[in-house]
Amino acid sequence: AQKITQTQPGMFVQEKEAVTLDCTYDTSDPSYGLFWYKQPSSGEMIFLIYQGSYDQQNATEGRYSLNFQKARKSANLVISASQLGDSAMYFCAMTPRGDDKIIFGKGTRLHILP
Amino acid sequence: DVKVTQSSRYLVKRTGEKVFLECVQDMDHENMFWYRQDPGLGLRLIYFSYDVKMKEKGDIPEGYSVSREKKERFSLILESASTNQTSMYLCASSLLQISSYNEQFFGPGTRLTVL
Repeated sequence: AQKITQTQPGMFVQEKEAVTLDCTYDTSDPSYGLFWYKQPSSGEMIFLIYQGSYDQQNATEGRYSLNFQKARKSANLVISASQLGDSAMYFCAMTPRGDDKIIFGKGTRLHILP
Repeated sequence: DVKVTQSSRYLVKRTGEKVFLECVQDMDHENMFWYRQDPGLGLRLIYFSYDVKMKEKGDIPEGYSVSREKKERFSLILESASTNQTSMYLCASSLLQISSYNEQFFGPGTRLTVL
């Protein structure tokens, strides 16, 4: 069965420090996509970054990067130089190729401290 | 920009009422989804639709039904609301998948309270 695991229900980080949010996944499909979404307290889900399973390089989008370790089935999100506005819930998600549905993890609530 | 709108941000209903949650997207997406979000449980898929009048059950369809009469609109229906359906409801849409990249675009959510 396909599954996403986020082992950190909550994290507290000092402003300006780098943050790593953990995500592991389980799938037997050779082709799949991995996503990270951010959900601020207002509730909307914001797409952050995508990594395809065949992509050779780790995805980066501004301060966000995805540390993709395929053999370990790990897709950690790294936020560099954290800001107060990064305080939010973060969801890791996966979609196998050929499937329009996305499987979400349970999320990690990140608190950035001033 | 893709826009997904939901009819209400906050809704309060009484047990036994019939509740309609509406979702509209303006990007001609084939797929539309309804999720329920509860603390500690993440997002759970209730139903999704890949075309007009087509629907597929998600992980937790019990107590819900859906309607998709037009491509841009996907409605979630609680036939007889119960207190355990108090939750945040999120609608999303995406293009029909041709690769593993099928980003879903989300609406702002509806926080439903059933008294």
